[in-house]
Amino acid sequence: EAQVTQNPRYLITVTGKKLTVTCSQNMNHEYMSWYRQDPGLGLRQIYYSMNVEVTDKGDVPEGYKVSRKEKRNFPLILESPSPNQTSLYFCASSSSGRLFEQFFGPGTRLTVL
Amino acid sequence: SQQGEEDPQALSIQEGENATMNCSYKTSINNLQWYRQNSGRGLVHLILIRSNEREKHSGRLRVTLDTSKKSSSLLITASRAADTASYFCATWHNQGGKLIFGQGTELSVKP
Repeated sequence: EAQVTQNPRYLITVTGKKLTVTCSQNMNHEYMSWYRQDPGLGLRQIYYSMNVEVTDKGDVPEGYKVSRKEKRNFPLILESPSPNQTSLYFCASSSSGRLFEQFFGPGTRLTVL
Repeated sequence: SQQGEEDPQALSIQEGENATMNCSYKTSINNLQWYRQNSGRGLVHLILIRSNEREKHSGRLRVTLDTSKKSSSLLITASRAADTASYFCATWHNQGGKLIFGQGTELSVKP
């Protein structure tokens, strides 16, 4: 089944404790992206990657890192999480020929205490 | 908002009624999409309408697009309780390689 998976789905952590949210897709998509969703602010892009080893900042990249060493994986790294990073995070992917047709993962709900 | 406004922000109707949601956007587009999100869960793609289309149907969904007004509407006919969700419009922007989403309409369909 074609899908985007994220892990973990739920995470409660404390300020400053490094964490990684994994994202994997099995559709051989070139493009992958991370969004965060916050009440009243909607979905905002954090980082995106057009292909392996190619990443770029989105609208709200501060406090986040990403890497794209393999085509299928695009982990989101929070080196020193803070409470303002409490949010619902979504990973998405699409093919280079249809970038706009994005497939979303199920979301990761992160709480930073 | 980055993209524009969706209205209404919340809509409550009875099963069987029609639900109409509107979306406005700010820049030129090649296409516009509608997504559905069940409470706190992932986004599901519903329908895409291209900039040269004025109307598109998919099952109980009908989408219209007015590029002169930079607006779109989503109509759900004969709504069901299972349609209860948030609905978002989104447009793709090559600059920045991203979808820009509207704020969403929270639809509640009462049985």
